[in-house]
Amino acid sequence: GEDVEQSLFLSVREGDSSVINCTYTDSSSTYLYWYKQEPGAGLQLLTYIFSNMDMKQDQRLTVLLNKKDKHLSLRIADTQTGDSAIYFCAERAGGGADGLTFGKGTHLIIQP
Amino acid sequence: DTGVSQDPRHKITKRGQNVTFRCDPISEHNRLYWYRQTLGQGPEFLTYFQNEAQLEKSRLLSDRFSAERPKGSFSTLEIQRTEQGDSAMYLCASSQGASTGELFFGEGSRLTVL
Repeated sequence: GEDVEQSLFLSVREGDSSVINCTYTDSSSTYLYWYKQEPGAGLQLLTYIFSNMDMKQDQRLTVLLNKKDKHLSLRIADTQTGDSAIYFCAERAGGGADGLTFGKGTHLIIQP
Repeated sequence: DTGVSQDPRHKITKRGQNVTFRCDPISEHNRLYWYRQTLGQGPEFLTYFQNEAQLEKSRLLSDRFSAERPKGSFSTLEIQRTEQGDSAMYLCASSQGASTGELFFGEGSRLTVL
């Protein structure tokens, strides 16, 4: 079955880099996603990576994928107070299934 | 440009009542999804439509839940005989059905069952 695991909390100092980790179990995953959710709001797509890629960079965001270990990470450079939110990892399985499976989310806490 | 909109944003109801939520997707998107999110959890897939056809339903979608998308545009999610365990945020998302599969979410409808 599909399962996505994330740490529940990450605390970093403003200006440092944040690295949020995620593991998944479905080896047939085609795409993996990172979403951001601020309090009281819906989910905002940050970035995604195709399963045949190792890395994707988009401004302050870097996604690393280790397909062998089924490990995905999101690095946020120069973390700002506005980055404080819950970050969800999600996978889209192969085999024709269409819904995304989400982790429980990582609360990113920014210390001044 | 409007994103995905959901209505109402908040609904408080008594146990046993019926509630209905509406979702208007991004206009050119042919796929529409419903998810449920409870406190401290990630969104859980409920069902999805391609145009007006309901193609997939989760086992989480009990007989009390029904979703429709009659003209392939907006969708409704109805919960009959609500229970306290139905209290959650109900999220709607849409996509163009591209191979990349990214979903665009609305801000959700929060249901509280007393």
